[in-house]
Amino acid sequence: DAGVIQSPRHEVTEMGQEVTLRCKPISGHNSLFWYRQTMMRGLELLIYFNNNVPIDDSGMPEDRFSAKMPNASFSTLKIQPSEPRDSAVYFCASSTLGTDKHNEQFFGPGTRLTVL
Amino acid sequence: AQKVTQAQTEISVVEKEDVTLDCVYETRDTTYYLFWYKQPPSGELVFLIRRNSFDEQNEISGRYSWNFQKSTSSFNFTITASQVVDSAVYFCALSEYSGGGADGLTFGKGTHLIIQP
Repeated sequence: DAGVIQSPRHEVTEMGQEVTLRCKPISGHNSLFWYRQTMMRGLELLIYFNNNVPIDDSGMPEDRFSAKMPNASFSTLKIQPSEPRDSAVYFCASSTLGTDKHNEQFFGPGTRLTVL
Repeated sequence: AQKVTQAQTEISVVEKEDVTLDCVYETRDTTYYLFWYKQPPSGELVFLIRRNSFDEQNEISGRYSWNFQKSTSSFNFTITASQVVDSAVYFCALSEYSGGGADGLTFGKGTHLIIQP
């Protein structure tokens, strides 16, 4: 079975540009999470969805960040405008709800974002 | 607020030695989940284990074992007979239970494990 799919794997952009990161969760999973990893702050939760509904976006750093999940198989994380301090690896993860595998989160390969 | 502490920033051992990675957590909830993930040099995050707060039984999976002790709020991870392929950063994580829904993970800072041949 395919794991969590993220695209692009690498993104280099200039400050002020819009960046869109994409994620396809594991088929049948109904929770989706966006995390960010930096040397300074480690791994931190940005936002998560249960059954396509955003549950907690308190980790989203600023209004420049937004996330959507229009259907069960696709989510986007958008940064507009991007800034150099947004440079990080962005991970998407998915899990199931209410089963014996409840909240076992499986991660995608990550998108390495560099903002110049 | 929940918190995960991995006091060991880096551990270096010689191959075939046993090594224990420490994890201490803080939470006000009585229902929660604890996790371990492995991040090899290639960068992906690999799920190793999830344990719920009502199950304090130790778990063994091959050379890996986990010791969960609620009395000390610890969830330690031991690798027996370590191998070079075990070299990675290992993260301990915690999620609280919000009544049926999944919750995001709070991660520790990670322990960089180096296995020397």
